[in-house]
Amino acid sequence: DAGVIQSPRHEVTEMGQEVTLRCKPISGHNSLFWYRQTMMRGLELLIYFNNNVPIDDSGMPEDRFSAKMPNASFSTLKIQPSEPRDSAVYFCASSSQGGGSTGELFFGEGSRLTVL
Amino acid sequence: GENVEQHPSTLSVQEGDSAVIKCTYSDSASNYFPWYKQELGKRPQLIIDIRSNVGEKKDQRIAVTLNKTAKHFSLHITETQPEDSAVYFCAANTNSNTGKLIFGQGTTLQVKP
Repeated sequence: DAGVIQSPRHEVTEMGQEVTLRCKPISGHNSLFWYRQTMMRGLELLIYFNNNVPIDDSGMPEDRFSAKMPNASFSTLKIQPSEPRDSAVYFCASSSQGGGSTGELFFGEGSRLTVL
Repeated sequence: GENVEQHPSTLSVQEGDSAVIKCTYSDSASNYFPWYKQELGKRPQLIIDIRSNVGEKKDQRIAVTLNKTAKHFSLHITETQPEDSAVYFCAANTNSNTGKLIFGQGTTLQVKP
């Protein structure tokens, strides 16, 4: 398997523009997570899905952020409108969960977002 | 909710010395504790994990210990090498059915040749 695939790897945009980050989880994994990494706040969990259903979005900063998972092989994280403080590396990760046992979390390469 | 505290934030050791990173967690229901290594510009990758049914696990030069009573776990790296230089994150799960992990703030380890 190619692992978790994210796009774009780098995005530079201007304040106010819409940003869409994409993720393809590992085939067969049933949980998908979006994390944001900054120097100040470390790795923050934004939202996660289990079997394509959003379970917990309490980490989403505000209404400007939204995420979808229309099927088991694709998820998007959208920021509209973007602001300079959204600049960060956004990681998508996936894992296989079942039987009450937490499985290994696999990260994508990340999408580095810069909002000017 | 779960809170994971990690110390120290930075650690510098001489090559060949040992390094220890400590984490505490707050949710007594947590039962899975992985450690991730992140090299500069790369993704975090799992290096070792431990589940609550054991107190210690070892894999070559790295080991993890868990004290469920005290709610803390530690990463031990022996005979450190320059390639061990990276940021290390501990984590704890909050929901074993969905795999949600809460990460510590990270420790930047520098191994001096």
